[in-house]
Amino acid sequence: ETGVTQSPTHLIKTRGQQVTLRCSSQSGHNTVSWYQQALGQGPQFIFQYYREEENGRGNFPPRFSGLQFPNYSSELNVNALELDDSALYLCASSLSGGKDEQYFGPGTRLTVT
Amino acid sequence: KQEVTQIPAALSVPEGENLVLNCSFTDSAIYNLQWFRQDPGKGLTSLLLIQSSQREQTSGRLNASLDKSSGRSTLYIAASQPGDSATYLCAVEGSTLGRLYFGRGTQLTVWP
Repeated sequence: ETGVTQSPTHLIKTRGQQVTLRCSSQSGHNTVSWYQQALGQGPQFIFQYYREEENGRGNFPPRFSGLQFPNYSSELNVNALELDDSALYLCASSLSGGKDEQYFGPGTRLTVT
Repeated sequence: KQEVTQIPAALSVPEGENLVLNCSFTDSAIYNLQWFRQDPGKGLTSLLLIQSSQREQTSGRLNASLDKSSGRSTLYIAASQPGDSATYLCAVEGSTLGRLYFGRGTQLTVWP
């Protein structure tokens, strides 16, 4: 059974640029959630995708957007990058949209300069 | 809005000690509570999941309890080892299905 994978591992971008982060869910999981973890903080929920539809969103501006594909992999897109977007971005997959154990990937470290 | 607090923020103990990490949450209407381990700069490893109808879960040297009515959970680590050094995070899944609310974590150091 393959776990949750994320790419790339590290990324450096300049303020104002756009970035796309990718996540492959664990085999058999149809739900992907994205979290942002700033240094020294707990992860903050960005949004969740369940069977290719957005299924809940946290307190993040519209320049954070996402997609889920038929194979349940997912992308997180961030436009007009700001310095405060520098963080570890974590993706988690689960079986059915809620109430299930969530399995996290290794994360993508984004640095905005 | 659900808020999760973890105490202490940091803990340093000698190898072999039994220890307790605390987690509290403000809204008792939760579906489950999950404890995670995070090594520096890495992702989260799930340790234990307690459903709202359960009182505790055990895995090896770890035991987690849940008192939903008082909004508290504890993670008990028996016979701590240097390899247990990491940040421990607790998270609750509340009324918004699939959304986890996290505490800031307890940074644990176990020295030989």
